[in-house]
Amino acid sequence: ETGVTQSPTHLIKTRGQQVTLRCSSQSGHNTVSWYQQALGQGPQFIFQYYREEENGRGNFPPRFSGLQFPNYSSELNVNALELDDSALYLCASSQIQGYGYTFGSGTRLTVV
Amino acid sequence: RKEVEQDPGPFNVPEGATVAFNCTYSNSASQSFFWYRQDCRKEPKLLMSVYSSGNEDGRFTAQLNRASQYISLLIRDSKLSDSATYLCVVFGPANEKLTFGTGTRLTIIP
Repeated sequence: ETGVTQSPTHLIKTRGQQVTLRCSSQSGHNTVSWYQQALGQGPQFIFQYYREEENGRGNFPPRFSGLQFPNYSSELNVNALELDDSALYLCASSQIQGYGYTFGSGTRLTVV
Repeated sequence: RKEVEQDPGPFNVPEGATVAFNCTYSNSASQSFFWYRQDCRKEPKLLMSVYSSGNEDGRFTAQLNRASQYISLLIRDSKLSDSATYLCVVFGPANEKLTFGTGTRLTIIP
């Protein structure tokens, strides 16, 4: 059974650019959620997808958007990058909402 | 008030000691509760779920008090490998999301 995999592991972007982060959920998991973790903070909820539909969103601006595909993998897109977007972006998948979330190892994004 | 609050620490504790972490949450309708462990520059990993009846897993004991909206984690006979950041996590009721505390950093000293 494979776990949650994220790509790329590290990324450096320039302010104003756009970025796409990818996540492959654990086999059998139909729910994917994304979190942003700034240095020294706990992860903050961005949004969640269940069977290709967004079913929850945190306090993030619309330039943060996402997709979930029929195989339950997911993308996080961030437009017009700002310096404060520099963080570790974590993807988590689960089979039942509320239980058994497995996290990927994250993508570390640096905006310069 | 933050949705989930925990003492950020750091806690520096000698090997073999008992360590207690506390956490409070603001939304009384929250549905489920967890402790996650996060090693430096790694992803969070589920340590244990927390139930009102209390639950134990080896040296680790977690407790939930719904009336006080309080969650605790006790680590007995601490090991060097317990050094990590411990995150208090609450699920629901809105947005179907996990809400994390800022984490408490624990260092076990030989």
